[in-house]
Amino acid sequence: GENVEQHPSTLSVQEGDSAVIKCTYSDSASNYFPWYKQELGKGPQLIIDIRSNVGEKKDQRIAVTLNKTAKHFSLHITETQPEDSAVYFCAGTGRRALTFGSGTRLQVQP
Amino acid sequence: NAGVMQNPRHLVRRRGQEARLRCSPMKGHSHVYWYRQLPEEGLKFMVYLQKENIIDESGMPKERFSAEFPKEGPSILRIQQVVRGDSAAYFCASSPEQGNTEAFFGQGTRLTVV
Repeated sequence: GENVEQHPSTLSVQEGDSAVIKCTYSDSASNYFPWYKQELGKGPQLIIDIRSNVGEKKDQRIAVTLNKTAKHFSLHITETQPEDSAVYFCAGTGRRALTFGSGTRLQVQP
Repeated sequence: NAGVMQNPRHLVRRRGQEARLRCSPMKGHSHVYWYRQLPEEGLKFMVYLQKENIIDESGMPKERFSAEFPKEGPSILRIQQVVRGDSAAYFCASSPEQGNTEAFFGQGTRLTVV
């Protein structure tokens, strides 16, 4: 089955700086890679995703890059704001359910 | 267009009781996934269901846990004879298709076993 590893586990940045979270996956059949943001006491919220036929996708301050050869993908948040503080999860999927990384706790210092 | 609805949001059970967690998927979604999250940890896959079928239950404990998704009504995750170690947040997600497609989560049920 799929195994997804995520780094770092915690990340602290100053407001306005960029944040980068990296994930690797094991199953070469995986072809869909979503990112979720989870705020305290809430369910995970889908914020961006990328499919294997695309190398990069951007949505305002958030971007995701995918390197299928190396089996890794990254989340980039630019111009961070305090409301970006949350736990972020990457995930990969082949044919069945999503397998999640262990999460990154992002703290944006005002 | 309502999102994924889970109830109850909070559930307290004494050891040995049964817990029933409900999940109504988004309209038009026929695929349901259950995940468990312990405090300060990630999301662990439990079971994947389609209407009236269990597709993958590889993450479900062999005993005391069961899940169903009937033709009519919500998906149910049932935990019999709960123990303190079952205390966790249980999340349900739904998607319109299997595999590489968007999955949307509910707000979860926080189960506390006392």
